[in-house]
Amino acid sequence: AQSVTQLDSQVPVFEEAPVELRCNYSSSVSVYLFWYVQYPNQGLQLLLKYLSGSTLVKGINGFEAEFNKSQTSFHLRKPSVHISDTAEYFCAVSGAGVGSGGSYIPTFGRGTSLIVHP
Amino acid sequence: KAGVTQTPRYLIKTRGQQVTLSCSPISGHRSVSWYQQTPGQGLQFLFEYFSETQRNKGNFPGRFSGRQFSNSRSEMNVSTLELGDSALYLCASSLSPGNQPQHFGDGTRLSIL
Repeated sequence: AQSVTQLDSQVPVFEEAPVELRCNYSSSVSVYLFWYVQYPNQGLQLLLKYLSGSTLVKGINGFEAEFNKSQTSFHLRKPSVHISDTAEYFCAVSGAGVGSGGSYIPTFGRGTSLIVHP
Repeated sequence: KAGVTQTPRYLIKTRGQQVTLSCSPISGHRSVSWYQQTPGQGLQFLFEYFSETQRNKGNFPGRFSGRQFSNSRSEMNVSTLELGDSALYLCASSLSPGNQPQHFGDGTRLSIL
């Protein structure tokens, strides 16, 4: 079974400050990892994904994440946040494709609410 | 390219009624998944359809069902509605099962009175 833990339910930060949203996962098989963002009254939008290759993944809106296999983490970072980044952020894990032995149905974390103050 | 379209956006029902939600995937996407999102439980997987067949099902009672049509559009049905069914229901599509990432619609907000 796979699981995801987002360590912070809420992260308040001032505009133009850096931010890190933490995500740890557990799985017995190779995994794909994702970060999604959800704005109020909208669905989830993919920020970035790790499927294979370089462990540093760059996404949209200036976000990046680093896959750390030894620490089973996939933390999301942005060097300078904007008011418009205020939203709910979800980390998700799935088995690395059909045949990996794991479920390819993604498991989502409980979400981290990023609140950017002016 | 149009995104995933879910209708209706908002729905109010009373206990005991039934409801049908609709999802039109991105053109060319043949896999459709449904999720329930609530403040208490977060995002929970309901079921996945591909080629008009249910391939995976989450841990939900039989009151929750779905189907997929030949044009890949999908519907989910909830019968005998309970207060706890109040949630945002999200549909996501992808080219095929196991093909990541999924593309989400804006959801249907279901409120049970």
